[in-house]
Amino acid sequence: KAGVTQTPRYLIKTRGQQVTLSCSPISGHRSVSWYQQTPGQGLQFLFEYFSETQRNKGNFPGRFSGRQFSNSRSEMNVSTLELGDSALYLCASSLGQGAYEQYFGPGTRLTVT
Amino acid sequence: GQQVMQIPQYQHVQEGEDFTTYCNSSTTLSNIQWYKQRPGGHPVFLIQLVKSGEVKKQKRLTFQFGEAKKNSSLHITATQTTDVGTYFCAGYTDNFNKFYFGSGTKLNVKP
Repeated sequence: KAGVTQTPRYLIKTRGQQVTLSCSPISGHRSVSWYQQTPGQGLQFLFEYFSETQRNKGNFPGRFSGRQFSNSRSEMNVSTLELGDSALYLCASSLGQGAYEQYFGPGTRLTVT
Repeated sequence: GQQVMQIPQYQHVQEGEDFTTYCNSSTTLSNIQWYKQRPGGHPVFLIQLVKSGEVKKQKRLTFQFGEAKKNSSLHITATQTTDVGTYFCAGYTDNFNKFYFGSGTKLNVKP
């Protein structure tokens, strides 16, 4: 079974731009969660999607948004990028919503200059 | 607000020594998961603990969930260089329906 895939793997953007990251979960997994990982803040929960609906959201500004498609693939978008948005963005898929084992993708390394 | 504290932040050990990382939550957790992230890699699920006082073992790794379901520990016996990485706990609360990750413990094993 193929693992979680994320595209692109690396991205360099300038301040003010927007970016869209993509995540394809493991086949059969219906829940996708997004995390931001930085050296200083560790793993911070962004949001969780299940059956195309956002089920939960972390403490991030409205510039961070996401969506999930009917095939469970998910995208997250960050608008008006700031330097502080530079981070590794990880997507995790799981069978269902809630306290299930999470399978992480390799992440997208975003650098904002 | 809800948070999960993890200590220590770093641990340097000689190969063969034991290692323990601890997680503490400000509120009761419904379950806790442990992940390992190798340098340059992504977190990989190790185990989930659900019951109060639960203890689970995976070869040299021992995981415990506290009686009050507010703390957990991961103990590695006789570390090996392959144990190098950052170990994260992730506590789940039914109240907020999401995982709170600890800040991680970075383990370095000197051969």
